[in-house]
Amino acid sequence: NAGVTQTPKFQVLKTGQSMTLQCAQDMNHNSMYWYRQDPGMGLRLIYYSASEGTTDKGEVPNGYNVSRLNKREFSLRLESAAPSQTSVYFCASNSRAVYGYTFGSGTRLTVV
Amino acid sequence: GQQLNQSPQSMFIQEGEDVSMNCTSSSIFNTWLWYKQDPGEGPVLLIALYKAGELTSNGRLTAQFGITRKDSFLNISASIPSDVGIYFCAGLNYGGSQGNLIFGKGTKLSVKP
Repeated sequence: NAGVTQTPKFQVLKTGQSMTLQCAQDMNHNSMYWYRQDPGMGLRLIYYSASEGTTDKGEVPNGYNVSRLNKREFSLRLESAAPSQTSVYFCASNSRAVYGYTFGSGTRLTVV
Repeated sequence: GQQLNQSPQSMFIQEGEDVSMNCTSSSIFNTWLWYKQDPGEGPVLLIALYKAGELTSNGRLTAQFGITRKDSFLNISASIPSDVGIYFCAGLNYGGSQGNLIFGKGTKLSVKP
């Protein structure tokens, strides 16, 4: 019963470096989401995937790309990291939104 | 776009006290959810509300779906130190955001033993 698994848990990047945040869920959920959490800003939606093969922009997509690799996996890529992307990133999934989302434990990213 | 106004932003209370927080919106929602985020973890669903006027409890937690469908309340009775964390409300309107949840900015709860 892993639920939603995110890797890595912590990462420090230099400005301009690239990296991919990985997310996998084992609940056979159709929809997956990437959020960032900053102090006082709550959870802001970066990208989501309503089903395998589809992705859509959320509230704050600039500087990010995503890939829905298969039904289980949804990755978030930072092509050229900037200090403004220092944040905690959460992946989530759901079968139907009315039942709520299941969140991973987060990736804490620092860009210096 | 749709927004949820969650208040208060933060609370500092003594162990044993009761806590109240709420979310309001200018839009109608069909579903209200309440989450808790422990320090260093992801949010976890506490209570889901599906009907206007509905009152639902989960242990010491009680949440209500406002009759106007534009607000929801969460109460915690007899707080304990492990209640510390950030509480988020979330609303769902089937007609908007393609079925995605809208989250409030959270209420940060601190409990003094």
